[in-house]
Amino acid sequence: KQEVTQIPAALSVPEGENLVLNCSFTDSAIYNLQWFRQDPGKGLTSLLLIQSSQREQTSGRLNASLDKSSGRSTLYIAASQPGDSATYLCAVFTSGTYKYIFGTGTRLKVLA
Amino acid sequence: DGGITQSPKYLFRKEGQNVTLSCEQNLNHDAMYWYRQDPGQGLRLIYYSQIVNDFQKGDIAEGYSVSREKKESFPLTVTSAQKNPTAFYLCASSKGLNTEAFFGQGTRLTVV
Repeated sequence: KQEVTQIPAALSVPEGENLVLNCSFTDSAIYNLQWFRQDPGKGLTSLLLIQSSQREQTSGRLNASLDKSSGRSTLYIAASQPGDSATYLCAVFTSGTYKYIFGTGTRLKVLA
Repeated sequence: DGGITQSPKYLFRKEGQNVTLSCEQNLNHDAMYWYRQDPGQGLRLIYYSQIVNDFQKGDIAEGYSVSREKKESFPLTVTSAQKNPTAFYLCASSKGLNTEAFFGQGTRLTVV
């Protein structure tokens, strides 16, 4: 059974820092992994999608990497800003299933 | 603008009532999903639909029902059989089952 873990659960950093959010999963047979951002009381915004054949994806200040064999993905945020404050969720789509499995998220606060 | 629209944003239900949450998308996506989000837990899948007139139970379907009469619409009914319906409900869609998922802004349901 696929399980997705995100560590840390919460993170507080000063503005300008580069930071890394972690996502680990137990079953490496995945189709893809997706990173989302969720603001309080809002829906999820898709940030990056990494297919199982890819190692990384980049969008602006965000870079996501995928190491299927070790069951890990990282989301790198460069030069963090207060507007980056949100909860970041990762989700994996496991082969042979019909759904994304979500982690419980990392709640990020960037201090001005 | 292409996207997913959920309504209402807030919904209050009395004990014993059925309520219906609306989800509409104009992305021409085939697959649609309903997730439930509770504090401290990852998103859990309630129902999903791959094509019109077809839908399948997810992990926590008891007390819920859905229909998929149109490609654009996937309403969720929370029945009186759902004993703990207070939660944040999120609708999503994707081109196919294992492709990038896009979410609506959510409906917060509260039992009064």
